[in-house]
Amino acid sequence: DAGITQSPRHKVTETGTPVTLRCHQTENHRYMYWYRQDPGHGLRLIHYSYGVKDTDKGEVSDGYSVSRSKTEDFLLTLESATSSQTSVYFCATGTTNTGELFFGEGSRLTVL
Amino acid sequence: DQQVKQNSPSLSVQEGRISILNCDYTNSMFDYFLWYKKYPAEGPTFLISISSIKDKNEDGRFTVFLNKSAKHLSLHIVPSQPGDSAVYFCAASGVQGAQKLVFGQGTRLTINP
Repeated sequence: DAGITQSPRHKVTETGTPVTLRCHQTENHRYMYWYRQDPGHGLRLIHYSYGVKDTDKGEVSDGYSVSRSKTEDFLLTLESATSSQTSVYFCATGTTNTGELFFGEGSRLTVL
Repeated sequence: DQQVKQNSPSLSVQEGRISILNCDYTNSMFDYFLWYKKYPAEGPTFLISISSIKDKNEDGRFTVFLNKSAKHLSLHIVPSQPGDSAVYFCAASGVQGAQKLVFGQGTRLTINP
């Protein structure tokens, strides 16, 4: 295990409210990622980080922002949640550029 | 545009038989391919991978085959066990930075006793 903790694990919120999901790792992995999993789409990359304060967009980044102020923490923020952002969010970390990632247990977000 | 496709949403196999999961990709720039396994309420876990310079990689009961000309890879599980029941995702990397994994939609494998 890469020691990845996601919080909260479950959250129900209303449309228009801000939401922040937190990912914490204890393995000092360089790369961190946020994916969302939706039926029929598999896992889609939202944002990723290749170092402290170094982040970039993935394929479904609209409506999301991220921050990484410390190696161990990667925050995903929905500034104004919409129902289309109801999903299961997975944080992942990696150490090499071969693609092997270690995933957290997921955060289920419901936007009403 | 789905660059990595798993066209079978589900697969049912009898215990002890072979399970074959398939995956197709469209971008010839992918150079590394992986399979992940996911149980309900857990995160995906890495299963096996293959580099584009190989056509086969084996790890115990799991073998991944890569056919670059057809842009196709498959995962063989022999013999299948009840604990193999899970959702399997194939993934590819190599485009726009090796650290960006592109995943397929997943195939739910059910092993029947």
